Parts: sequence; structure tokens; C-alpha cells
Amino acid sequence: QVQLVESGGGVVQPGGSLRLSCAASGFSLSSYGMHWVRQAPGKGLEWVAIIRSDGSNKFYADSVKGRFTISGDTSKNTLYLQMNSLRAEDTAVYYCANQYFDYWGQGTLVTVSS
Amino acid sequence: EIVLTQSPATLSLSPGERATLSCRASQSVSSFLAWYQQNPGQAPRLLIYDASNRATGIPARFSGSGSGTDFTLTISSLEPEDFAVYYCQHRSNWPPYTFGQGTKLEIK
Repeated sequence: QVQLVESGGGVVQPGGSLRLSCAASGFSLSSYGMHWVRQAPGKGLEWVAIIRSDGSNKFYADSVKGRFTISGDTSKNTLYLQMNSLRAEDTAVYYCANQYFDYWGQGTLVTVSS
Repeated sequence: EIVLTQSPATLSLSPGERATLSCRASQSVSSFLAWYQQNPGQAPRLLIYDASNRATGIPARFSGSGSGTDFTLTISSLEPEDFAVYYCQHRSNWPPYTFGQGTKLEIK
């Protein structure tokens, strides 16, 4: 049974950093790519980043490029999103999803506020 | 970057009625389009992929059609649990995987 569980959200000041985790079970991260998708309060969905199954190909939305880094640890079967230089507009629920977007986590809330 | 425009923004219908939701792409996406349903406080759920294929476990009342730039999600007879927000998404093999702005399907 596939399960994705995010953690690491919280309140951070503008300019600060945060690392989100997504623990996967029921499948291997080394076999599938993974995405991060976010949703600002009361707004629509925004794709953030993808890491391909080989771990070396990574792509980002223009809004986070140069500030966010997606990575994976196959030994822990866990996906990460390192978020630096955070801005108020990064406030959102962050979801991880598998390569085909047919499995999603429950989301973790990131609030960027002073 | 491909822009997806969904219409209408809000659709008010009654249970048992037929719902037709539209998604238009700024350029051709071939059949690389997906539809999602999202209820308040929940993660999105994949309904349709590659424009017309139902995802696992999705009821037959949900159907997708279209190719190129114009796509439609049809719910043949609305059930109470279908009232939610629906998103389309560009789903080719190359990012960004853009979402539309959403259509809220509400009870009339």
C-alpha cells in the first residue's frame, strides 16, 4: 500500500530556511520520480519541483528556481525539499506526489511571516 | 510556458444533473492533460490522465475528452460527494506541469 507522509512544515521568518521531508512506503523512490506541489491559502495548485527516478535530473518552477532544492535519500526512501531565502509568497501547504500524481501526501503547512 | 484556463470559475448544479467543465491550453498539449478533484482540507485526487483515461477506482460517471488545446471533464450524473474543486493539469514528460486555476462545483 502506497503512502506518502510529509513533515517539516512550520513558521519561519522571511529570508529563513526550512527543509520538508516526504517519507514514502509501498514503493521505492529509486524506481519513480517524485514531485512537490504547493497550494497557497485559498488558492489553486502550483507545481514546484520534480526529481527523476535516477536522482540526477531535477527541474523547478521559475518561482522557486535558485532558492529551493529537491533531493532524495533512497536508503531512507525519503524525499526532501530544502527551501532557502523564503518569502511571504512561499506560504502554502506543500504536498509531495509520485511521478504520475496518483499518490499524494496529506500536506504540510509552511508559513513565512515575521 | 503553457497556460491552462478553466471555465467556468464556479458551476452551480443540483445532484443528478450533468456537469461539463472546460480547460483550454494556450498551445497544443496533445493529449497530455489530467484532471483532479480536491475537497476542502484534502490532497488532490487524480481522476483522468492522458485526456480520457480514468484513474484507478474512479467511477464511470467521470469522463474526459479533447486533444490539442480544448478539453472537457464531464460528470454524467452528479452525486453529493462530487461537489468540490476541479483542476486540469498539463502532463507531458517535460516540466513545468502547469495547473489550471480551478473550477468550483457547488450545490445549487
